[in-house]
Amino acid sequence: AQSVTQPDIHITVSEGASLELRCNYSYGATPYLFWYVQSPGQGLQLLLKYFSGDTLVQGIKGFEAEFKRSQSSFNLRKPSVHWSDAAEYFCAVGAGTNAGKSTFGDGTTLTVKP
Amino acid sequence: KAGVTQTPRYLIKTRGQQVTLSCSPISGHRSVSWYQQTPGQGLQFLFEYFSETQRNKGNFPGRFSGRQFSNSRSEMNVSTLELGDSALYLCASSLGSGVVETQYFGPGTRLLVL
Repeated sequence: AQSVTQPDIHITVSEGASLELRCNYSYGATPYLFWYVQSPGQGLQLLLKYFSGDTLVQGIKGFEAEFKRSQSSFNLRKPSVHWSDAAEYFCAVGAGTNAGKSTFGDGTTLTVKP
Repeated sequence: KAGVTQTPRYLIKTRGQQVTLSCSPISGHRSVSWYQQTPGQGLQFLFEYFSETQRNKGNFPGRFSGRQFSNSRSEMNVSTLELGDSALYLCASSLGSGVVETQYFGPGTRLLVL
């Protein structure tokens, strides 16, 4: 069975600092990986996804993620955090090509200090 | 293009009652997935419908059911509500073509069971 671990429940960074959110997955075949962001009271928005090709994936809002098969990781990064990035971030693995059945991590809450 | 809409946005029910939640996908999307989000269990996959057929099912009791109509709108029903069913129920739609796709999430229906 597939699973996703986000080791950091809560991260605080200063505005303008760099950010890395960790994600480790377990999946028997080639994983289909996603990062989502959820602002309070809102649904999830896809930041980026990986299913093949270049292991460095660019997403929206200046985010990127790197797939490392040897480490079973798909960490999310941003070089300079903005106050508006404060939210909860979820990593997810899809079942095969079917994004409709995704397994999510427990999420990482990002706080941005002024 | 209109996004995914969910109705109602908020709902209060009492134990033992049943509830029906509705989801209208983005126009042209044929896949609709449902997720339950709670502070304790995180985001959990309930089921996915594609072209009026349940394509995937998560690990939830039979009290949770769903259906999809010919216009791709979907409903989920929870019978004999329990306190633990209090959650944010998220619906997501995608094209459903089988290639790894982006899921678009609605704002959710927040259900409180008293």
